[in-house]
Amino acid sequence: DGGITQSPKYLFRKEGQNVTLSCEQNLNHDAMYWYRQDPGQGLRLIYYSQIVNDFQKGDIAEGYSVSREKKESFPLTVTSAQKNPTAFYLCASSMDGGTGSRKLFFGSGTQLSVL
Amino acid sequence: GQNIDQPTEMTATEGAIVQINCTYQTSGFNGLFWYQQHAGEAPTFLSYNVLDGLEEKGRFSSFLSRSKGYSYLLLKELQMKDSASYLCAVRDSNYQLIWGAGTKLIIKP
Repeated sequence: DGGITQSPKYLFRKEGQNVTLSCEQNLNHDAMYWYRQDPGQGLRLIYYSQIVNDFQKGDIAEGYSVSREKKESFPLTVTSAQKNPTAFYLCASSMDGGTGSRKLFFGSGTQLSVL
Repeated sequence: GQNIDQPTEMTATEGAIVQINCTYQTSGFNGLFWYQQHAGEAPTFLSYNVLDGLEEKGRFSSFLSRSKGYSYLLLKELQMKDSASYLCAVRDSNYQLIWGAGTKLIIKP
């Protein structure tokens, strides 16, 4: 079955620690995205990538980093510089860069909490 | 600034009809999406509107009026499994998606 897989489902971060959230897709999609979801707020874009070895900052990139070494994979690192990392993180992909009616396919999310 | 407004929460009865509204002010318009999200799960695509009018898909319909900056999602014959959050998102002139905070729909027997 084609889809997009995020792991882990739950993650705990200690102060000063970097943590990495995994996102893998086998849909052969070119574009991948990372969103942050906080209660009472809309999804906010952290980073996106439209092609391998290239990515752009979204609206709230500070304290986060990404890589896109393979088409299938787009891991997100939450660095110690992100002072309020507790949130639900969603990875998504789309067939191309998202023009027109291109819909997003989402992973099941990672809940990150601070110890 | 860009803004998407949806009611925070709505309650409806099983078997009934409910309309979830979404109003938007964005820099340009290149389509509006509705997604369904069950608690702690992935959002899933419901509908896409780019032209004015009603798009019907089974029990779900979505309406768009670009001149009014307004859309609604209509759910008929409500089932308990329809209890979820419904997210409205607009693609702006730069093809970036702007998301509303979502409407939590509670279905009562």
